[in-house]
Amino acid sequence: TQLLEQSPQFLSIQEGENLTVYCNSSSVFSSLQWYRQEPGEGPVLLVTVVTGGEVKKLKRLTFQFGDARKDSSLHITAAQTGDTGLYLCAGAWDNFNKFYFGSGTKLNVKP
Amino acid sequence: DTAVSQTPKYLVTQMGNDKSIKCEQNLGHDTMYWYKQDSKKFLKIMFSYNNKELIINETVPNRFSPKSPDKAHLNLHINSLELGDSAVYFCASSQDPGAGTQYFGPGTRLLVL
Repeated sequence: TQLLEQSPQFLSIQEGENLTVYCNSSSVFSSLQWYRQEPGEGPVLLVTVVTGGEVKKLKRLTFQFGDARKDSSLHITAAQTGDTGLYLCAGAWDNFNKFYFGSGTKLNVKP
Repeated sequence: DTAVSQTPKYLVTQMGNDKSIKCEQNLGHDTMYWYKQDSKKFLKIMFSYNNKELIINETVPNRFSPKSPDKAHLNLHINSLELGDSAVYFCASSQDPGAGTQYFGPGTRLLVL
């Protein structure tokens, strides 16, 4: 049983298109992170969200934490080939010294 | 400068062997982690050390034994390797446990034949 479900599992789009990927759970998290992992490398942190309803923007990437702190979304505007990679969300609780990772969304942006 | 480094990058070995993976971080962090990423890319925490003390030990077979000689190093020794141990093992570090940014190493690709 995975605590965090990500959807879609795979996504293949053309350069210039917009997309949204989702991270859902039945648990309430104290914080949630998004990572991008490129082939052959370790995950790299993109953003951390801690407040319900919080929206953070990182250039063309927009991250939202659900009001109930159970879910999150990542929206990419005008995708570029450099956005290709595995997007992972990870949730943590206050009393636990660890993050649980989701199943990941593999994004392929075609030129 | 490499922040979190792991050796070796690739490890191919026979079932039943014992092997070690080494990890070093030069970020001055107090907390280090070992994760396992399976063939479906699911990343699962195995162990975490804070100031050389074990603080997280997930349900990992006791064939896996982490060792932290100092805050900058966290090694993983695996006894009696099994086929199911084949995966990519990532080391990571953070300033504090369970919060903030985790910096991941490049991974060690273990293949057990």
